[in-house]
Amino acid sequence: SQTIHQWPATLVQPVGSPLSLECTVEGTSNPNLYWYRQAAGRGLQLLFYSVGIGQISSEVPQNLSASRPQDRQFILSSKKLLLSDSGFYLCAWSSGDSPSGSWGEQFFGPGTRLTVL
Amino acid sequence: GQNIDQPTEMTATEGAIVQINCTYQTSGFNGLFWYQQHAGEAPTFLSYNVLDGLEEKGRFSSFLSRSKGYSYLLLKELQMKDSASYLCAASPGTYKYIFGTGTRLKVLA
Repeated sequence: SQTIHQWPATLVQPVGSPLSLECTVEGTSNPNLYWYRQAAGRGLQLLFYSVGIGQISSEVPQNLSASRPQDRQFILSSKKLLLSDSGFYLCAWSSGDSPSGSWGEQFFGPGTRLTVL
Repeated sequence: GQNIDQPTEMTATEGAIVQINCTYQTSGFNGLFWYQQHAGEAPTFLSYNVLDGLEEKGRFSSFLSRSKGYSYLLLKELQMKDSASYLCAASPGTYKYIFGTGTRLKVLA
């Protein structure tokens, strides 16, 4: 069965500090990978998605970046955190093998709650 | 632009039926998804519609009308554990998913 891991679970960082959040998926190959942010009481905002190693698409211009060094590893980074970067960060995967073009449901990791002070 | 609209909050009584509506506008369409999210937790998948009509999964059903850009999630025999946010999401067909802000459902005893 497939599982998705995220760490850390919670993080408190000062403004201006760097960030690195990691996500790994097990039990599937060539997944589509996603990073979302959810601010308190808000919906999910798509930040980045990746359909393959080294392929990153950015949805919202900001001080965050993403990388996919391995097939089942997705990393979210920042060089200098802002107060507005606080939120609940969710990694998700969906099947990349879909002959009909239907991408199917997404499976979410447990999330990282980031507080920037 | 691309947009998902759903009510912010709903309240219902244990044992009752509740319908959560969602309207969407996307540049393309490759499916409509419903997720459940309990406070502080990650969303979990509930249902998927790509063709018009009703999909039933136990106490939960989801309906889609592509011509109207409209979907609803129907929850029957409500239980206290159904208190959660329900997220509507549409796939415009380009690997992306557009999420609504979610409907917070409170189930009262």
